[in-house]
Amino acid sequence: EAGVAQSPRYKIIEKRQSVAFWCNPISGHATLYWYQQILGQGPKLLIQFQNNGVVDDSQLPKDRFSAERLKGVDSTLKIQPAKLEDSAVYLCASSLNRWKGSGANVLTFGAGSRLTVL
Amino acid sequence: AQKITQTQPGMFVQEKEAVTLDCTYDTSDQSYGLFWYKQPSSGEMIFLIYQGSYDEQNATEGRYSLNFQKARKSANLVISASQLGDSAMYFCAFREDNQGGKLIFGQGTELSVKP
Repeated sequence: EAGVAQSPRYKIIEKRQSVAFWCNPISGHATLYWYQQILGQGPKLLIQFQNNGVVDDSQLPKDRFSAERLKGVDSTLKIQPAKLEDSAVYLCASSLNRWKGSGANVLTFGAGSRLTVL
Repeated sequence: AQKITQTQPGMFVQEKEAVTLDCTYDTSDQSYGLFWYKQPSSGEMIFLIYQGSYDEQNATEGRYSLNFQKARKSANLVISASQLGDSAMYFCAFREDNQGGKLIFGQGTELSVKP
């Protein structure tokens, strides 16, 4: 099966500019996650979708970050305006469903989108 | 509160030897899951192994095994017969089963395999 697709792989922007990242999950996966991974750290969850609804966006900086998954398939993460501290890799992951009490429900990750803010 | 801790920023191992990567977690829940992912320099997170809190036997997947000690709240990854291709970052991740499936990641351990 095809994996999680992300684009662009790399993006360099000036601070205060905007940027958007796109993610297409594995076909049939209802749950989609966006993680931010700052250099030298583990990934941190920004937002979780179940189909086209938001499950958890408690760690999303909503003054500058937004995300949508309008048709319950692919998703876009936007940053506007970008700050220096937003430099990171943005990882998209998908899983078959929200965990429902049995099994691993493994998250499959894409290759990530590396953002550099100058 | 910190949910998951990896105390080894970097580890070295000789090719063909075994290595243990440490992971401890903090929870008062009874139902949870523990995962290990590998992140090579290319950046993609690769799933290695999973252990459920109710699983009585330690998980194994090929050369990977998970040493699960529930009372100590530890879930160490053991890689047997290390290969040069095992050089990568390794992340332990924790899932609280009443939180809908999201993973909380540790800081990672960088493993270097020496020829």
